[in-house]
Amino acid sequence: DAGVIQSPRHEVTEMGQEVTLRCKPISGHNSLFWYRQTMMRGLELLIYFNNNVPIDDSGMPEDRFSAKMPNASFSTLKIQPSEPRDSAVYFCASNLAGGDNEQFFGPGTRLTVL
Amino acid sequence: AQKVTQAQTEISVVEKEDVTLDCVYETRDTTYYLFWYKQPPSGELVFLIRRNSFDEQNEISGRYSWNFQKSTSSFNFTITASQVVDSAVYFCALSLNNNDMRFGAGTRLTVKP
Repeated sequence: DAGVIQSPRHEVTEMGQEVTLRCKPISGHNSLFWYRQTMMRGLELLIYFNNNVPIDDSGMPEDRFSAKMPNASFSTLKIQPSEPRDSAVYFCASNLAGGDNEQFFGPGTRLTVL
Repeated sequence: AQKVTQAQTEISVVEKEDVTLDCVYETRDTTYYLFWYKQPPSGELVFLIRRNSFDEQNEISGRYSWNFQKSTSSFNFTITASQVVDSAVYFCALSLNNNDMRFGAGTRLTVKP
């Protein structure tokens, strides 16, 4: 079975550019999570969706960050405009909400903003 | 608010040694879930174990074992007879509803040949 799929795996962009990260959760999972990992702050939950609806976006750092989940099999995390301090690894994870269900993580997108 | 503390930033051992990674958590809720994830040098996060707050039984899986003690709010992870392939960053995490997962800072384990 395919796991969580993220694209691109690596992104290098210049400050001020728009960046879009993509995620395809595991088929059948109804919750999707976006995390950011940095050396300074570790792993932080940015936002999560349940049945395509954003439930908690309190971790989204600024208005420059937005996330959407138009359907059960696709989500995007957008940064506009990007800044050097956004450089991090962004992980997407999914699970089946309810019960003892661990989150399965994608391989991550390494973002570098110059 | 919930919090996870992994006080050991880095641990270095020689192959075949046993090593214990500590995890202390804080929460006022009586129902919660604890997790361990492994992040090898390749960067992906690999799920190792989940425990709910009502199950204090220790678990053993091959060379891995976990000691969950509610009395000390700890969920420690022991690797027996460590191997070079165990070198990774290990994260402990806490969730109240299996959705809002809070991770510890991680412990970087280096196993030297």
